[in-house]
Amino acid sequence: GESVGLHLPTLSVQEGDNSIINCAYSNSASDYFIWYKQESGKGPQFIIDIRSNMDKRQGQRVTVLLNKTVKHLSLQIAATQPGDSAVYFCAENRGSSYKLIFGSGTRLLVRP
Amino acid sequence: EAGVTQFPSHSVIEKGQTVTLRCDPISGHDNLYWYRRVMGKEIKFLLHFVKESKQDESGMPNNRFLAERTGGTYSTLKVQPAELEDSGVYFCASSRPGTGGNGYTFGSGTRLTVV
Repeated sequence: GESVGLHLPTLSVQEGDNSIINCAYSNSASDYFIWYKQESGKGPQFIIDIRSNMDKRQGQRVTVLLNKTVKHLSLQIAATQPGDSAVYFCAENRGSSYKLIFGSGTRLLVRP
Repeated sequence: EAGVTQFPSHSVIEKGQTVTLRCDPISGHDNLYWYRRVMGKEIKFLLHFVKESKQDESGMPNNRFLAERTGGTYSTLKVQPAELEDSGVYFCASSRPGTGGNGYTFGSGTRLTVV
C-alpha cells in the first residue's frame, strides 16, 4: 500500500467510541467541502459533503460540521469500527472551479 | 460501472529517466483530473481535462511534466527527466459532465519512486 507520511496527525480511538477529525480551511470564498477516506493502496473515497449555506449534514454514522466564522470543518464518526481505520482528508472547492484543494490529512487508528 | 484504472500501480526509476503514467477514466466521464501526494503531504491538484482539452493546468509543477488526453478517453502523464522530488503517489480521477467534487471517482494511484 501507499507509504503514509510520518508527519500525519494521528487519532487513535477505541472501537465503539466516537471519532472527531478536524480540518481548517484556508479561503473564506470556498463554498463546498468534502470529506474523503483513503485506505492503504486505494484512492480517496467520497464520504460526505456540505455546502457553505449549511452548518451541519448527517449521513450514515457520519456527520460533518461547518463553522464558517473560524473556517473550520469537522467529521464525526459514530461507533467507530476497525474498517474506519484510514487517512481522512478534507477538501474545499471554490465557485465554478472543479479543482479540489485538500487538507493535509489525519490518520485514524481504531483499537480493537 | 468499472472504476478509474491507473497503470502501473508502482514504478521505480532512476533520476533522469522518463516515466509515463496512464489513467483510464470511467466511460462517459468527460472530466479527468490528475493529483499527486508527495512525501505524505496533502494531495495537490495538477490539472483538469474536459474531454481532450486542458481546462486548468495551474498545478503542473514545471515543464518536466506533460499530460495528454488524445481523443478524450485515456490520459497519460509523462515525467521527463524525473527528479527525486517527483516521488509520491499520482492519482487520477474522473467525473461526469457538469459534476465537480461530489462526482469524482479516484483511481488507486501510481506510486512513483525516483532513486
